[in-house]
Amino acid sequence: QQQVKQSPQSLIVQKGGISIINCAYENTAFDYFPWYQQFPGKGPALLIAIRPDVSEKKEGRFTISFNKSAKQFSLHIMDSQPGDSATYFCAARNQAGTALIFGKGTTLSVSS
Amino acid sequence: GAVVSQHPSRVICKSGTSVKIECRSLDFQATTMFWYRQFPKQSLMLMATSNEGSKATYEQGVEKDKFLINHASLTLSTLTVTSAHPEDSSFYICSARDRDRGYNEQFFGPGTRLTVL
Repeated sequence: QQQVKQSPQSLIVQKGGISIINCAYENTAFDYFPWYQQFPGKGPALLIAIRPDVSEKKEGRFTISFNKSAKQFSLHIMDSQPGDSATYFCAARNQAGTALIFGKGTTLSVSS
Repeated sequence: GAVVSQHPSRVICKSGTSVKIECRSLDFQATTMFWYRQFPKQSLMLMATSNEGSKATYEQGVEKDKFLINHASLTLSTLTVTSAHPEDSSFYICSARDRDRGYNEQFFGPGTRLTVL
């Protein structure tokens, strides 16, 4: 119940296309859902995050869509660029101050 | 703002030796820090949660006598890998929660690559 399931494991998108990564969870006590971007040999960096009282949040080219009833959330990267090629992790947390639980990650390759 | 540093960035040691990794919040006070381990092409796995001034809480399966965590101040936590073995080779990442920014914010360090020969 503490798991966050992420798909796909890898994704190849043409430059300018839309990248979509999905995550699903079981624990209804989760109340914070961030997405992180990680480049090889670096720590993860927060991209965008959402709380369950909001169905969508957009920041620049990055959008989180959240479906509370389905217990799913997704990351959309619009106008994908080669510089977006990285590993993306969804995560969830169930109460203030506790650690994040990460999905297994999606390796995105944006071809030019 | 909200910068977390780790030192060293990479370390190579011989089997049986101990290695200390430092995690510092540079411009904020962190009441809670977390230590993660990441194997190649895998996700981040939580090892322990560290609260300033108290003992760390370890995740199931993590040996607390092998991975010693100290959080002596609001800006510094250390992870010591004792009697390291090749299977401890991994990427160790800390994160810190900004006490004054609300509980949602958690910032990650750049990671430390440990190689045990």
